[in-house]
Amino acid sequence: GAGVSQSPSNKVTEKGKDVELRCDPISGHTALYWYRQSLGQGLEFLIYFQGNSAPDKSGLPSDRFSAERTGGSVSTLTIQRTQQEDSAVYLCASSQDVGWSTDTQYFGPGTRLTVL
Amino acid sequence: GQQVMQIPQYQHVQEGEDFTTYCNSSTTLSNIQWYKQRPGGHPVFLIQLVKSGEVKKQKRLTFQFGEAKKNSSLHITATQTTDVGTYFCAGPGSGSARQLTFGSGTQLTVLP
Repeated sequence: GAGVSQSPSNKVTEKGKDVELRCDPISGHTALYWYRQSLGQGLEFLIYFQGNSAPDKSGLPSDRFSAERTGGSVSTLTIQRTQQEDSAVYLCASSQDVGWSTDTQYFGPGTRLTVL
Repeated sequence: GQQVMQIPQYQHVQEGEDFTTYCNSSTTLSNIQWYKQRPGGHPVFLIQLVKSGEVKKQKRLTFQFGEAKKNSSLHITATQTTDVGTYFCAGPGSGSARQLTFGSGTQLTVLP
């Protein structure tokens, strides 16, 4: 596609419910990242996928958070038993990951999650 | 772990004034990237600096990478209302070589 797409754009859920957020990276990009951005704050790294390698999960804040990437393309971020502090914008980014340097990351529009 | 600090957190300027945001890392960076996020939007890549002492310009924007590769700055000359947004610097994370550690950002408001 032309850019990184994410769905849904907005999600309102009740505390304790599970949510799934979807990311479609740019075609051909092998690297995919999830970030979380709370209101007025910077970006918090969550997880990184690169090809078929084991994902870097070092940024996941708790075991309620998990993510998978099927077929090296689409990724789903799942938050189980949501809490109010999970409310934030969840951003997905992808990159070509072709060189030695840190690659340019292309961000999707994000999913705004509100936990009531 | 690595930390990337950015100052100031907020900056209000009159249209036409200059603006500078500073980024400092606790460790030496192999490279640094700058992103801009418009209100309600997502971060968009602006530039990457790799070499010690490197200076790059994009129209009214000037980016610098320090000699020690631990600090960087973004300077905007004669700000315009279109410059409004939050500017983030980002360096390679301490984990995977590809993840980025973002600074806290500088939110720029340009008053007409």
